[in-house]
Amino acid sequence: GNSVTQMEGPVTLSEEAFLTINCTYTATGYPSLFWYVQYPGEGLQLLLKATKADDKGSNKGFEATYRKETTSFHLEKGSVQVSDSAVYFCALPSAGGYQKVTFGIGTKLQVIP
Amino acid sequence: DAGVTQSPTHLIKTRGQQVTLRCSPKSGHDTVSWYQQALGQGPQFIFQYYEEEERQRGNFPDRFSGHQFPNYSSELNVNALLLGDSALYLCASSLGGTSRFYEQFFGPGTRLTVL
Repeated sequence: GNSVTQMEGPVTLSEEAFLTINCTYTATGYPSLFWYVQYPGEGLQLLLKATKADDKGSNKGFEATYRKETTSFHLEKGSVQVSDSAVYFCALPSAGGYQKVTFGIGTKLQVIP
Repeated sequence: DAGVTQSPTHLIKTRGQQVTLRCSPKSGHDTVSWYQQALGQGPQFIFQYYEEEERQRGNFPDRFSGHQFPNYSSELNVNALLLGDSALYLCASSLGGTSRFYEQFFGPGTRLTVL
């Protein structure tokens, strides 16, 4: 089945530093890819998505490019803020036509002033 | 337009008890999925309901059961609670067709603690 491998955290950065969180996937075909964010004490929010190869998803200064050659979907942000402190999950839908999402383990990001 | 809502927010139970969690999907959505998120882990798929039937199930025992009502809201029931059932339970709603994947919208979750 479809799966994702995500770098483990925690990641601690100073404010305005550059962020990269690595994610690679294994999938049948070319499914959509997602990054979800979970702020402390909250549920999941979709941060960005890409629906086909070479697409770039972007939102709130975050970007990720769907790269089929390297089966990767790394999350990047040029200048992180304290408010970006959260857990980030790479995810993709399961194969087989059903509405199930498979998540990575999550990467905790802490941004310090 | 209200998003996905879940109740209760927090719940404390003891081993062996039974619990029911509730979810109301986003307006216009007909499919509800339930996920378990243990501390420090990614969400794990429990099952999905569409047209009032369980359509797909993850690797969870029969102690976990559910229901979907005609208004598309859903319940998750867990019997004979174990300490390991302590987790954040997330509900997600979406459209239910099988021709393509539809984005899932998540609720804030119910934090279950089993003592």
